[in-house]
Amino acid sequence: AQKVTQAQTEISVVEKEDVTLDCVYETRDTTYYLFWYKQPPSGELVFLIRRNSFDEQNEISGRYSWNFQKSTSSFNFTITASQVVDSAVYFCALSLGGGSEKLVFGKGTKLTVNP
Amino acid sequence: DARVTQTPRHKVTEMGQEVTMRCQPILGHNTVFWYRQTMMQGLELLAYFRNRAPLDDSGMPKDRFSAEMPDATLATLKIQPSEPRDSAVYFCASGWTGGQFFGPGTRLTVL
Repeated sequence: AQKVTQAQTEISVVEKEDVTLDCVYETRDTTYYLFWYKQPPSGELVFLIRRNSFDEQNEISGRYSWNFQKSTSSFNFTITASQVVDSAVYFCALSLGGGSEKLVFGKGTKLTVNP
Repeated sequence: DARVTQTPRHKVTEMGQEVTMRCQPILGHNTVFWYRQTMMQGLELLAYFRNRAPLDDSGMPKDRFSAEMPDATLATLKIQPSEPRDSAVYFCASGWTGGQFFGPGTRLTVL
């Protein structure tokens, strides 16, 4: 069975600080996919990234970056120079088939960025 | 800009009433999912379809929930009879290998 753990329930930072959201996963499968979603106060779930288990390269998209380390079963998400608009709940998820298989979600980390 | 659409966005009903939620997946996505989000359980899968065929509905209470996909542009989730513990946000998502994309959700309140 698959499991995703987001140990940080809530994080509060001041604008412009860097913040890292942790995600640890468990699976016995060698092929799997990891995702991050953002859920702002409006409630929708916004897709941020998908990474497959064979690609350990870190990824950067603007102020967002992701660090995938198979050795520690982690897929951490860093926001550089945080902004108030980054305030949201962030979910890490795992599937065995990209976007065409069910997602197993972590409990989420609520990030509050204060001005 | 392709999106998953869901109706209604909000639903308030009384215990015992039937509730039907609808979803239009993104054209070309072959897999459609229903998830439920509650404070206690977080995000959990209820059921999903591939090419309109049901693959897994083990997350649904079978006695009161049913999910169908009558055609490629419509998925439905029905609760009959509804109970207060069904109050939650119900998300539909559609996906392909490249990603899984969520609709805006239906916020259901059962009084």
